[in-house]
Amino acid sequence: DGGITQSPKYLFRKEGQNVTLSCEQNLNHDAMYWYRQDPGQGLRLIYYSQIVNDFQKGDIAEGYSVSREKKESFPLTVTSAQKNPTAFYLCASREGRVQETQYFGPGTRLLVL
Amino acid sequence: GESVGLHLPTLSVQEGDNSIINCAYSNSASDYFIWYKQESGKGPQFIIDIRSNMDKRQGQRVTVLLNKTVKHLSLQIAATQPGDSAVYFCAENIHGLSETSGSRLTFGEGTQLTVNP
Repeated sequence: DGGITQSPKYLFRKEGQNVTLSCEQNLNHDAMYWYRQDPGQGLRLIYYSQIVNDFQKGDIAEGYSVSREKKESFPLTVTSAQKNPTAFYLCASREGRVQETQYFGPGTRLLVL
Repeated sequence: GESVGLHLPTLSVQEGDNSIINCAYSNSASDYFIWYKQESGKGPQFIIDIRSNMDKRQGQRVTVLLNKTVKHLSLQIAATQPGDSAVYFCAENIHGLSETSGSRLTFGEGTQLTVNP
């Protein structure tokens, strides 16, 4: 898991509710990423950020929002517009624009009540 | 034991055997590849990487082979141990279209490796 922390480990969402997943890194990495993983499947990119105050949509951004106000933090909000939010959410970070290796946090499992 | 990735997502081997996990990637412009190991309920762990100007790279008990002609990547694990049981993902690095979009990884669907004692 290195220096990437995600909280909480489990999160429950009620219908119509927005929830925010936390991702913090103390690796001084420039880039941060959010992925969604469904059971038995690979990782799909939701949003990513190369630098503070900037971020780009990934392949499945609809129903999600992010912010990058600080280098070490990249929170993900799952909005009520995301109709199927139950999944395992993974945050990753990468050192810089040249170094491509991404390192992952331990993940947050989101369940809908 | 050997898998063929998308067509055979499960690989079962005996402890002490060598394992070969295969991956077909999609983009001929990809210049960097990574193998990750993911245990149940945990985040993926970096295993080994390789750049497109190489065709082989070795680590501790693992070797990655890259065949750019057929866009194929493989991970070889020597003397497989029960602790190697996990899902293994390959990922290819694709640079963004602009300076600010940076690079991103695209992941394969994964192969479940089960090591029998």
